[in-house]
Amino acid sequence: QVQLVQSGAEVKKPGASVRVSCKASGYTFTTYAMHWVRQAPGQRLEWMGWISAGNGNTKYSEKFQGRVTITRDTSASTAYMELSSLRSEDTAVYYCARGEDFIYWGQGTLVTVSS
Amino acid sequence: QSVLTQPPSVSGAPGQRVTISCTGSSSNIGARYDVHWYQQLPGTAPKLLLSGNSNRPSGVPDRFSGSKSGTSAALAITGLQAEDEADYYCQSFDSSLTGYVFGTGTKVTVL
Repeated sequence: QVQLVQSGAEVKKPGASVRVSCKASGYTFTTYAMHWVRQAPGQRLEWMGWISAGNGNTKYSEKFQGRVTITRDTSASTAYMELSSLRSEDTAVYYCARGEDFIYWGQGTLVTVSS
Repeated sequence: QSVLTQPPSVSGAPGQRVTISCTGSSSNIGARYDVHWYQQLPGTAPKLLLSGNSNRPSGVPDRFSGSKSGTSAALAITGLQAEDEADYYCQSFDSSLTGYVFGTGTKVTVL
């Protein structure tokens, strides 16, 4: 069965960077795009960007342009999301989700930004 | 940033029918991009409820149905059950942003 397993919770100081991983299994990794979505406490879902797992092309939300980098390692069937220049407002649960209809989601990774 | 607007909350008694609207614009729903709906239970990842406006993935009860017209879409839940109490989000693609957008979210309460 399809599974997306994300890395564990992180605590970071303002100004630092964080990298979250998303390991895929149960399907051919390069067939589908991988999206990243975040949800701040009590807030709505917010799309951050996506990567074509096949050719590595990326597209980022204007809100995160310049601060987010999404990459993938096809040999490890893993996608990564790195967010830099962290501030307290970036405290959120970060999710990866597969494909255009986001049918499969990772379990989420809590990133806490605090001094 | 362009968003899809949903009512903050809807409620209904068990067995009743409730609907959740999702209002967009000419650059997303009105541009004929598909609308997808997600259910999010507290503390869990969202779950795809409806894809391509009205298609239910395997395992989703037929109590959930979707529709789309013009720049809006709607999710209907018939025969409301206690387990339907959750947050619901619509989602589509926006051509002016060349990216995906989510709705503001709706909390469904079963009275």
